[in-house]
Amino acid sequence: AQKVTQAQTEISVVEKEDVTLDCVYETRDTTYYLFWYKQPPSGELVFLIRRNSFDEQNEISGRYSWNFQKSTSSFNFTITASQVVDSAVYFCALSEAEYNAGNMLTFGGGTRLMVKP
Amino acid sequence: DTGVSQNPRHKITKRGQNVTFRCDPISEHNRLYWYRQTLGQGPEFLTYFQNEAQLEKSRLLSDRFSAERPKGSFSTLEIQRTEQGDSAMYLCASSRRTGGGYGYEQYFGPGTRLTVT
Repeated sequence: AQKVTQAQTEISVVEKEDVTLDCVYETRDTTYYLFWYKQPPSGELVFLIRRNSFDEQNEISGRYSWNFQKSTSSFNFTITASQVVDSAVYFCALSEAEYNAGNMLTFGGGTRLMVKP
Repeated sequence: DTGVSQNPRHKITKRGQNVTFRCDPISEHNRLYWYRQTLGQGPEFLTYFQNEAQLEKSRLLSDRFSAERPKGSFSTLEIQRTEQGDSAMYLCASSRRTGGGYGYEQYFGPGTRLTVT
C-alpha cells in the first residue's frame, strides 16, 4: 500500500522568509512518480511538479525548488523568498509508474502555508 | 486550451435525494479521474476511466455511487440516496496516456462542493 505523510499541518512565515515543506512517502513499487500540487483558497488544485523515482536530480523553478532523496523516501519542497500569494495548502502525492498502470494519486494530508506581509 | 470544468460548483441537497455531477476533461486527455476531498484532508481516489472504460474503482465507492463516461468524453458521477457523510468536495482530473502506456500528470477541475442536510 502507498502512503504519503506531510507532518507539518500548518506553517506560518513572514514574507521574504524561506520555507521548506516536508513530504515522506512509502511504497513497495520500484518505479513511481512524486508530485506537488498547490490548492489556493479558490480550491482548484494546481500542478507544480512531477518527478520519476529513477531521477534524483534536484529541480529549481524560479523561487521553487525540490529535493528528492530516495534513501530517506523524502520529496521536500522549498519556497525561497516567500510571498503572500504563496499562501495555500500544498499537497504531496505519489502514483505508481508501471507500464499501463492507472496512475491514481495517493495524497498526503497537506500543509497549510500562511505567508504574512 | 481550456482546463477541466465541473458543474455544478455547489450543490445542497437533502438526505435521501439523488445528485449528479458532470466533468468535462481537457479535450485531448483520454484519462479521467474522480476524487473526493473532505475538509482538512487530501483528496482520495474514487474511480478512473480510460476513454469510455471504467478501469478501477476504490473501495470508497459504495454501491450508491455510479460513474459513467459515455463516448469517452465528459463524465458524470451520481450519488443515490445521499447521506450526510457524502458531504465533501468532488474533484475531477484528466490526463494523457502516451502510446507507450505511461501516464502523465493530472490536471484538476475546480470541484463540486456537495452539502447534504
